[in-house]
Amino acid sequence: SQQGEEDPQALSIQEGENATMNCSYKTSINNLQWYRQNSGRGLVHLILIRSNEREKHSGRLRVTLDTSKKSSSLLITASRAADTASYFCATDQIETSGSRLTFGEGTQLTVNP
Amino acid sequence: DTGVSQDPRHKITKRGQNVTFRCDPISEHNRLYWYRQTLGQGPEFLTYFQNEAQLEKSRLLSDRFSAERPKGSFSTLEIQRTEQGDSAMYLCASNLALRNEQFFGPGTRLTVL
Repeated sequence: SQQGEEDPQALSIQEGENATMNCSYKTSINNLQWYRQNSGRGLVHLILIRSNEREKHSGRLRVTLDTSKKSSSLLITASRAADTASYFCATDQIETSGSRLTFGEGTQLTVNP
Repeated sequence: DTGVSQDPRHKITKRGQNVTFRCDPISEHNRLYWYRQTLGQGPEFLTYFQNEAQLEKSRLLSDRFSAERPKGSFSTLEIQRTEQGDSAMYLCASNLALRNEQFFGPGTRLTVL
């Protein structure tokens, strides 16, 4: 069963705007990862944040992690039409360490040109 | 292209038939994962291998499902006596043990009529 919940389920913005997606989870984690999936395709890893980190940046991506609230956010700055995709958070849980990722249900991002 | 390939990309079958999917991971990766993804949902873990050993199976993996990785390289996932509820995208991923990022293939979309 899915552990994560993502908010919002769908997000539509204009090119150049920032997009923020949130993820909540339920159990203790080693790390949290964000993946992107274009329609009908496989997933592509975007960024990983470890449980002892609070914020991480990669290009136009900024990820925050609050382990006390069991939540994370992904910010995409200066969005482009090519950022249109589904975005999933995935947790590497301590109890299943190394054996699997547990994915949220995803946020469908549409960036309008 | 992540370097993980899956074959076939699409499979349409009739209920009750058997199907087999193949995954070729990145060559140096010793871990290989299978996930299932239904429309609008995040991927759900099915099973994973370290080298040729199948180390964990999800409760989702009923007796009709079997996976192998005979030489620790490519893997096959077989579904016997397919049911309409098996219709989904089957995703394969690989990585090196102790490395958290997973590299996903493009998936095999199964439609059971």
